[in-house]
Amino acid sequence: SQTIHQWPATLVQPVGSPLSLECTVEGTSNPNLYWYRQAAGRGLQLLFYSVGIGQISSEVPQNLSASRPQDRQFILSSKKLLLSDSGFYLCAWSAPSPTGTYYGYTFGSGTRLTVV
Amino acid sequence: EDQVTQSPEALRLQEGESSSLNCSYTVSGLRGLFWYRQDPGKGPEFLFTLYSAGEEKEKERLKATLTKKESFLHITAPKPEDSATYLCAVRSNNNDMRFGAGTRLTVKP
Repeated sequence: SQTIHQWPATLVQPVGSPLSLECTVEGTSNPNLYWYRQAAGRGLQLLFYSVGIGQISSEVPQNLSASRPQDRQFILSSKKLLLSDSGFYLCAWSAPSPTGTYYGYTFGSGTRLTVV
Repeated sequence: EDQVTQSPEALRLQEGESSSLNCSYTVSGLRGLFWYRQDPGKGPEFLFTLYSAGEEKEKERLKATLTKKESFLHITAPKPEDSATYLCAVRSNNNDMRFGAGTRLTVKP
């Protein structure tokens, strides 16, 4: 069966420090991968998505970046964190949609990031 | 631009009191409407996908329905363990999964 791992679960970082959040998927090949951020009481905001190794699409201009060095690995990074980067970060995967049929996402357990 | 609006923002029910959550959407070419359940501090859990108007899906006490403008998540005889935030999302030709802000459901014993 497919599983998704996301770590760390919580993170407290000072302003200006770097960030690296990692997500890995097991039990599937060539998944679509996503990074979302969820602010308190608000909907999920798509940050990045990837349909393959090295293919990254950004939805929101910001000081965050994403990389996909391996088929089932997705990394969210920042060189210098801002206070506004605080939030709940979620990684997700879905099956590819070559025929145009779209499937629900499977989310990781999330990372609570607090920038102080 | 595609939009998803969920109502109410919060709903408090007594155990056994059935009700419905609403998800209204405006999209260019609906390719799927999705319902998720999210418990505090956790990632959303996928519940249902609906692809066309008139379609219905059921799982235990939950039933999702879809029209051309909205979807309902009906909760029959809810239990306290049904307490969670329920998220609606749509996928269209123009974007990836766009989420509503959610309905926070509390079921009192």
